[in-house]
Amino acid sequence: ILNVEQSPQSLHVQEGDSTNFTCSFPSSNFYALHWYRWETAKSPEALFVMTLNGDEKKKGRISATLNTKEGYSYLYIKGSQPEDSATYLCAPGEGSSNTGKLIFGQGTTLQVKP
Amino acid sequence: DGGITQSPKYLFRKEGQNVTLSCEQNLNHDAMYWYRQDPGQGLRLIYYSQIVNDFQKGDIAEGYSVSREKKESFPLTVTSAQKNPTAFYLCASSQGWTGSTEAFFGQGTRLTVV
Repeated sequence: ILNVEQSPQSLHVQEGDSTNFTCSFPSSNFYALHWYRWETAKSPEALFVMTLNGDEKKKGRISATLNTKEGYSYLYIKGSQPEDSATYLCAPGEGSSNTGKLIFGQGTTLQVKP
Repeated sequence: DGGITQSPKYLFRKEGQNVTLSCEQNLNHDAMYWYRQDPGQGLRLIYYSQIVNDFQKGDIAEGYSVSREKKESFPLTVTSAQKNPTAFYLCASSQGWTGSTEAFFGQGTRLTVV
């Protein structure tokens, strides 16, 4: 089973600050990388699904990059807002795209202070 | 609204009792999953189903059972054989397998053994 590490575990920033998180995983036997945002009392929601080395995805102020050769992904939030406060989960897929499984990290919890 | 509905939101169980958690989706998704979350850990896969009348064990299936008699429904039974059932349980679904397709999650059921 992939060992997925997310850092930092938690983060407190001021409104307007930009921030980034890291997701690290073994680079072999991998087929995709998912990022989810999980707000308190809500369901986790998908942010990005990336499959190719060098993939960069963007949604508003949030973007992500993927390096499959070295086994990491970065999530960036530009100009953090209080509504960005949530736990951000990364989930690499282990195995093949037809039979593999998502392995979730423990998450990075972001608190944005107004 | 399309989505995944889990019920109940909170569930209390006496030791030695079996209990069933409900998960229903109206997204017409083929694949469904059950995850468990414990404090400080990532989501761990209990069972998954890629198609009606078929399901597979995940990483922590011992003490759990599932059925998939209908496409929309994937109930999870926590049996008395589960040694430490107190946890937060999330159900998810996806169109096809979670390779390049994102997962959609319910809001979860918090199970407490009393």
